[in-house]
Amino acid sequence: EVQLVQSGGAVIQPGGSLRLSCEASGFLFSSYWMHWVRQAPGKGLEWVSRTNADGRITDYADAVKGRFSISRDNAKNTLYLQMGRLRAEDTAIYYCTREFGGRMYYFDYWGQGSLVTVSS
Amino acid sequence: DIQMTQSPSSLSASVGDRVTLTCRASQSISTYLNWYQQKPGKAPRLLIYAASNLQRGVPSRFSGSGSGTDFTLTISSLQPEDFATYYCQQNYVAPPDTFGQGTKLEIK
Repeated sequence: EVQLVQSGGAVIQPGGSLRLSCEASGFLFSSYWMHWVRQAPGKGLEWVSRTNADGRITDYADAVKGRFSISRDNAKNTLYLQMGRLRAEDTAIYYCTREFGGRMYYFDYWGQGSLVTVSS
Repeated sequence: DIQMTQSPSSLSASVGDRVTLTCRASQSISTYLNWYQQKPGKAPRLLIYAASNLQRGVPSRFSGSGSGTDFTLTISSLQPEDFATYYCQQNYVAPPDTFGQGTKLEIK
């Protein structure tokens, strides 16, 4: 059974840093692109970042570029999102998700979400 | 970035109704369009990929159609468990993947 189990959500002060983790099981993690998607309270879904199977390719939404860093440890089957210089508008539930399907891909499995609250 | 616009933003319907949700892209995206269902407090769930392909395990009352800029998600006969928020997503031009703002389907 495919599972993505997240950890690391917290209440953090503006300007602070936080790392989210997403541990994968039930599939060959090292073969898949992985993404982070977030959802601000009461709002819609917003794509945040992605990384390819070996972690050498990374992309970011403009809103987080230069502040967030995605990485993965394929030996530990774990995806990370290092978040820095956090702002109030980064407050959201962050989901990790697996990309499937090649060029015409989709997100077939999602983590349970990690709540990040940026507040003083 | 490609903008995705869903309509209506909310919809009230009854069990057994046939409902159609719409998603429009700001430019042609071929069939690079996915649909997700989200219930309160839960992660999104994939329903339809590549505009019209039903994800494994999703009931056949869900169907998708469209290409280019205009897409629809149809639920042929609403069930109580279908009341949720629905999002479309494009990845024809990505990054970034972009989502519609969602359609909230409520019980009448």
